[in-house]
Amino acid sequence: RKEVEQDPGPFNVPEGATVAFNCTYSNSASQSFFWYRQDCRKEPKLLMSVYSSGNEDGRFTAQLNRASQYISLLIRDSKLSDSATYLCVVEGSTLGRLYFGRGTQLTVWP
Amino acid sequence: GAGVSQSPSNKVTEKGKDVELRCDPISGHTALYWYRQSLGQGLEFLIYFQGNSAPDKSGLPSDRFSAERTGGSVSTLTIQRTQQEDSAVYLCASSLGSSQNIQYFGAGTRLSVL
Repeated sequence: RKEVEQDPGPFNVPEGATVAFNCTYSNSASQSFFWYRQDCRKEPKLLMSVYSSGNEDGRFTAQLNRASQYISLLIRDSKLSDSATYLCVVEGSTLGRLYFGRGTQLTVWP
Repeated sequence: GAGVSQSPSNKVTEKGKDVELRCDPISGHTALYWYRQSLGQGLEFLIYFQGNSAPDKSGLPSDRFSAERTGGSVSTLTIQRTQQEDSAVYLCASSLGSSQNIQYFGAGTRLSVL
C-alpha cells in the first residue's frame, strides 16, 4: 500500500466554485501533514500545514482525521490562479522523510 | 535570494555519458533531499541527507546513481552511463532538520538524455 493516496482528478470547476480534495495515508504514527501546490513545470511549494484541529488560511481550509487517516483540502471561491496540482504530503516512518502523493490536478475556468 | 539553488537548470546529454547535478540548500538547513519527477508523474524520492548521519539511499533506482554532500552543505547527484529513461526533472529540497521538516524546493534540473 502506498504511503499517500490521492484522487488524481482532474477537477475542472468554474470560477467561484468550492472544491474539495482528499487523501489517505497509511502510517498511523505520522505527525506532520501538509498540502503543497505545484504549478505546471514549476517546483512544489508549501501551501499550508495541516493541524489536528483543522486550520484555515483565507479561502483554503485543511482538515485532518487521524482515526480514518484522512486529510482534506477545501478551496472556496475558486480563482483562475488556483489552477495547479495539489500534493498531499505526510511524514513517513523514517524521521524527516516526507511522502508526497501523486497530486490532484485542478483547473479553474472563467 | 536565499532559496534552494540548483544547477544547471537544463542539461542535454548523450546516452552513456555521466552527468553531475548540483544543489545548494538554504543556509542553515541540515536536511537535503533529491527527488525525480518524470513528465506528468509524481515525485519519486531518491536520497536524503540529515546532518552527519549516513544518508537514506533507499530511493536510488540503480547503482548508476550516487550522491554526496560535502561539508554538510552543497550536494551533487551523479548519474553514470545515462539512459534515456533517466530523462526527468531532478528536484532538490532542504529543510531545517528532522524536527522541522517543511521542505523547500529548488527550481530543478531538467535532464534530457538523447
